[in-house]
Amino acid sequence: GENVEQHPSTLSVQEGDSAVIKCTYSDSASNYFPWYKQELGKGPQLIIDIRSNVGEKKDQRIAVTLNKTAKHFSLHITETQPEDSAVYFCAASGGSYIPTFGRGTSLIVHP
Amino acid sequence: GAGVSQSPSNKVTEKGKDVELRCDPISGHTALYWYRQSLGQGLEFLIYFQGNSAPDKSGLPSDRFSAERTGGSVSTLTIQRTQQEDSAVYLCASSLDGRPGQEAFFGQGTRLTVV
Repeated sequence: GENVEQHPSTLSVQEGDSAVIKCTYSDSASNYFPWYKQELGKGPQLIIDIRSNVGEKKDQRIAVTLNKTAKHFSLHITETQPEDSAVYFCAASGGSYIPTFGRGTSLIVHP
Repeated sequence: GAGVSQSPSNKVTEKGKDVELRCDPISGHTALYWYRQSLGQGLEFLIYFQGNSAPDKSGLPSDRFSAERTGGSVSTLTIQRTQQEDSAVYLCASSLDGRPGQEAFFGQGTRLTVV
């Protein structure tokens, strides 16, 4: 089955800095890679996703890149703000109908 | 409803008791997932329902865990003879028809504490 590794587990940055979270996957059949943000006491919410036919996608301050050859994808947040503080999860699906999630990254943005 | 609804939000139970957790998916969504989130851990897959097909139970950790989905809508996750290691947040998600590439919408979760 699919295995998704996510790093780092904790990321602390100053407001205005950039943050990068990296994930690797094992199943070459995976073709859909969503990123979820989970705020305290809430369920995860999709913030951006990328499909295997593109290498990069951007939405305002967030972007995701995908390297299918190396089987890794990354989330980039620029100009971080305190409200970006949350737990971020990457996921992969395609080989299976069931999304496999990484272990999560706790992002802390210091004002 | 507008989103995935889970109840209760919090549940404290004594070790050995049975608990039932409820998930009401987005109307029209035929795919439903249950995940477990333990402290500091990722989202652990438990079970997947798609329409009238037999559920994928490959993630259930033991035979104390079971789930059903009545009428293709509401789902109930049951944990029998709860243990302390069952303490976690149980998340339910739904998607339109479960095909890869569809957004999974999550509920707010049920925080289960076994004392």
